[in-house]
Amino acid sequence: AQKITQTQPGMFVQEKEAVTLDCTYDTSDQSYGLFWYKQPSSGEMIFLIYQGSYDEQNATEGRYSLNFQKARKSANLVISASQLGDSAMYFCAMREGFSGGYNKLIFGAGTRLAVHP
Amino acid sequence: NAGVMQNPRHLVRRRGQEARLRCSPMKGHSHVYWYRQLPEEGLKFMVYLQKENIIDESGMPKERFSAEFPKEGPSILRIQQVVRGDSAAYFCASSEIGGAGANVLTFGAGSRLTVL
Repeated sequence: AQKITQTQPGMFVQEKEAVTLDCTYDTSDQSYGLFWYKQPSSGEMIFLIYQGSYDEQNATEGRYSLNFQKARKSANLVISASQLGDSAMYFCAMREGFSGGYNKLIFGAGTRLAVHP
Repeated sequence: NAGVMQNPRHLVRRRGQEARLRCSPMKGHSHVYWYRQLPEEGLKFMVYLQKENIIDESGMPKERFSAEFPKEGPSILRIQQVVRGDSAAYFCASSEIGGAGANVLTFGAGSRLTVL
């Protein structure tokens, strides 16, 4: 069964340092997409980054990069040069390729990141 | 270009009452999704709709919950005879096309339902 696992309930990082948030997934599909969303204390869900299962390069978006290791079924989010505004919940999610071609996402339980000055 | 608009942002109901949550997708988006987030958990898929059609409601509880996306007007998530366990944040999301490639969901700010 498809599943997303985020093993870190909470993480701390000093401002300006890099931090890695872990995500492993389980799927039998060959085609799938992986997403990271940020949820600040205000509650909205903000899309950060996407990685397709056939993408050979790791995705990057500004200070966010996705460390995609297909054989290990991991899709860790790396945030470089952390800022105080990065303090939030972070969710990893997966869309399986054969979900009929629509955005039926499976979410992990999330990791709460706290950035200290 | 306004994002996904949800209202109300906060709703309080007593047990047995009805809750109606509304969602207007982004302009040009014809695919609407509802997700539920229980406290301290990730989001869980409830239902996927296109205009006048329910495409996938596999995540919806069989009783008391219904959703619609009429030809005109917002999508509505309706919960009848609410119970305390329905207390959660309900997120609406929309996309321009079906899920493929980097096509991502744009989420609304959520509607937080509290059942007393």
